[in-house]
Amino acid sequence: AQSVTQLDSQVPVFEEAPVELRCNYSSSVSVYLFWYVQYPNQGLQLLLKYLSGSTLVKGINGFEAEFNKSQTSFHLRKPSVHISDTAEYFCAVGGNSGNTPLVFGKGTRLSVIA
Amino acid sequence: NAGVTQTPKFQVLKTGQSMTLQCAQDMNHNSMYWYRQDPGMGLRLIYYSASEGTTDKGEVPNGYNVSRLNKREFSLRLESAAPSQTSVYFCASSAQRGPDTQYFGPGTRLTVL
Repeated sequence: AQSVTQLDSQVPVFEEAPVELRCNYSSSVSVYLFWYVQYPNQGLQLLLKYLSGSTLVKGINGFEAEFNKSQTSFHLRKPSVHISDTAEYFCAVGGNSGNTPLVFGKGTRLSVIA
Repeated sequence: NAGVTQTPKFQVLKTGQSMTLQCAQDMNHNSMYWYRQDPGMGLRLIYYSASEGTTDKGEVPNGYNVSRLNKREFSLRLESAAPSQTSVYFCASSAQRGPDTQYFGPGTRLTVL
């Protein structure tokens, strides 16, 4: 079975500062990893995903994440945040066998301060 | 191409009332999902349908039933609503079963008094 831990429930950061949102996973099989973003009063949108290949994955809005198998992590980063990045971010994991759906973390609320 | 649509957007029920949340997707996806989102709890899977004609329980299925009406539509029914079911409900779909990208609807905000 897979599980996901998002280590921070809230992250405040000043505008134009860098940010890292942390995600650790647990899985007994090879994994697929995802980051989703949820803007206020909206559904979730895919930011980026890791399926295989390069461990550095680039997504929309200048975000990127790095898959680290030895540390079972998939942290999300952005070098300079904007007010518009204020949202909730969810990490999700899926195994590459069977039909088990994705497992989502509890989310990290990113607040960008002007 | 509307993606995933959900109706209604908002609903207020009294304890014991029943209702059905509707979800439809126009992406020809095989798999569909129902989640609930509560503060501090993230997204919890209620039921999913890996393909037309099949449904499976997720993490929190008690108090809910689902119907995969056809490939496009997946409904969630609350037979006797309880205050603990006050939540935001999201429907999602994916092309394939398993660890595939899910596309989400805008959500239904349900309050049970």
